[in-house]
Formats: sequence, structure tokens, C-alpha cells
Amino acid sequence: AQSVAQPEDQVNVAEGNPLTVKCTYSVSGNPYLFWYVQYPNRGLQFLLKYITGDNLVKGSYGFEAEFNKSQTSFHLKKPSALVSDSALYFCAVRVRSGNTPLVFGKGTRLSVIA
Amino acid sequence: GAGVSQSPSNKVTEKGKDVELRCDPISGHTALYWYRQSLGQGLEFLIYFQGNSAPDKSGLPSDRFSAERTGGSVSTLTIQRTQQEDSAVYLCASSPDGAGLEAFFGQGTRLTVV
Repeated sequence: AQSVAQPEDQVNVAEGNPLTVKCTYSVSGNPYLFWYVQYPNRGLQFLLKYITGDNLVKGSYGFEAEFNKSQTSFHLKKPSALVSDSALYFCAVRVRSGNTPLVFGKGTRLSVIA
Repeated sequence: GAGVSQSPSNKVTEKGKDVELRCDPISGHTALYWYRQSLGQGLEFLIYFQGNSAPDKSGLPSDRFSAERTGGSVSTLTIQRTQQEDSAVYLCASSPDGAGLEAFFGQGTRLTVV
């Protein structure tokens, strides 16, 4: 069975500083990996995904994530945080082969302080 | 419509009553998911439909929960004999065929059991 761990419930960062939101995964096989964001009182929005190829993936709003197979990680990063980045972030994994669901982590709340 | 539509947006029900939650996926999307998000919690996988395959029901928390997907399109999540712990936001998502394609989420149904 696949699973996702987001070890931090809350991440606080000052505006303009780099941010990292951590994600590790466990699957039997090769993964597809995703990041979603949930702003207050809004639905989940897709940010970026890793399918194949370059381990560094760039997505919406200046976010990027690096796939590290040896560490089974897919950390979300941004070079310079904005107050408007404050939201709930979810990492998700799906096994490449077979007919399996998309499984999410518990989420990390990011607060960017002006 | 252009996105995933869920109805009702809010539902208040008395303990012990049955409720039905509806999801209209994006036209042509073969995969459909139901998740539950409790206050302050992550996304809990409930059930997954993919085309004509048998649904993955492994996330349903009890036999009071069931879901159907008619004609490969609209889905209904039914909760029988509701309990207070069923109070949560129920999210539906759909995606095109292909495990590497991202899912699109509806705005959710906020269920309150009183």
C-alpha cells in the first residue's frame, strides 16, 4: 500500500526567505508524485507533479519540488516566500502501474510572516 | 460546467438520518475519487472509481458508507445512520485516464451531524 508522510504540521517562514515543505513517500514500485495547495475557504488546487525525467519539477506560483528516489522524498520549495503563499499544502502519491488511488499526506500549514 | 461540481455545498442533518452527497465530475474524466477532510485533519481517502473497473472501497470507514457511480459519470456518496463523527468536508475529485494525470477537486460538501 502506498503512503505519504508530511512530518511538519506547521511551517513558519519570514517573507522573502526560502521555504521548504517536506514530503516522503512509500510505494511498491515507481511513483507519480503531486503537490496540491488549499487556500482558506477554497478547494484544492494542483501545484506541480513529478512523472518522469528531470528530478527538479517547476510548477505554479514559483514553486518547485525535487524528486529524490534514494531518500524517497519530494520536498516542495520556493526561493522567496510571499505572504500570499500562506495556505495548507498536501503531498500525494500514486503508483505508476495498476489501478490505484491517489493517496494524500496529512498536510502542512505554511505561514509566511511579513 | 468546466469543473467538478458537488451538491449540496452544506448539509446539516440529525444523528441517525441518512444523507446523500452528489458529485458531477468533469466531462470525459474516467477516474473519480471521494475524500473526507475533518477539521484540522488531512485528506482521508474513501473510495476510487476508474472506468468500468470495480471500485476501490478500501478507504470506507464503515459499512454505513457506500458510493455509486452511474453511467461512468455522476457519483453519489451515501452515509446511513449518520453519527457526529461523520461531520467533515467531503471532497470529490476527477481525473482523465492515466495515472500520471492530476486530479481536479470540487469545492466540497460540508456535512454537520447534530
